[in-house]
Amino acid sequence: DAKTTQPPSMDCAEGRAANLPCNHSTISGNEYVYWYRQIHSQGPQYIIHGLKNNETNEMASLIITEDRKSSTLILPHATLRDTAVYYCIVRVYSNTGKLIFGQGTTLQVKP
Amino acid sequence: NAGVTQTPKFQVLKTGQSMTLQCAQDMNHNSMYWYRQDPGMGLRLIYYSASEGTTDKGEVPNGYNVSRLNKREFSLRLESAAPSQTSVYFCASSGGGFDGHTEAFFGQGTRLTVV
Repeated sequence: DAKTTQPPSMDCAEGRAANLPCNHSTISGNEYVYWYRQIHSQGPQYIIHGLKNNETNEMASLIITEDRKSSTLILPHATLRDTAVYYCIVRVYSNTGKLIFGQGTTLQVKP
Repeated sequence: NAGVTQTPKFQVLKTGQSMTLQCAQDMNHNSMYWYRQDPGMGLRLIYYSASEGTTDKGEVPNGYNVSRLNKREFSLRLESAAPSQTSVYFCASSGGGFDGHTEAFFGQGTRLTVV
């Protein structure tokens, strides 16, 4: 599975968009980009995933560059409850279900 | 629908003691995982089970054993606990299935302290 690189920490003002980058320059054609977040030592929670097209759901948007070497998770209107560690994971297309987590980005949403 | 249930939630062990962490999921998922998370660190994969009857080592398997008892249950055993195994342990499951990329669901964790 391809490795990912994320900034260790970011701040965002409440109500503003939070843009969390992820670099996955060695991604393969059959690998998807997944985002999870972990709020205060709870179990991680799935946010969104995509292959090459931009994706949006009720929680966030995922923008993947055309060459697929990087992506950005966008929380359109960050709230204090979005303060968490955000993990970007690249996962091979397989039946193994294996998930390897990196260090993630600690997002601090400030009032 | 409980999702992923881990027991116990908290445990204190003495060095050298053994224990089994239990995990059960009710989502009919094929794949199950055990992770550990040390303070201020990310999650590290200990073992995983792609399907009933199979188990594979993850990133940090030493000192642990696992059993995929059936499709629902995946247990993690510490045979001789060491202080270095003090951590929060998370169990997770995912569909696996034919396409292999359904999202994973996590339990709330077991906080283990080895003294």
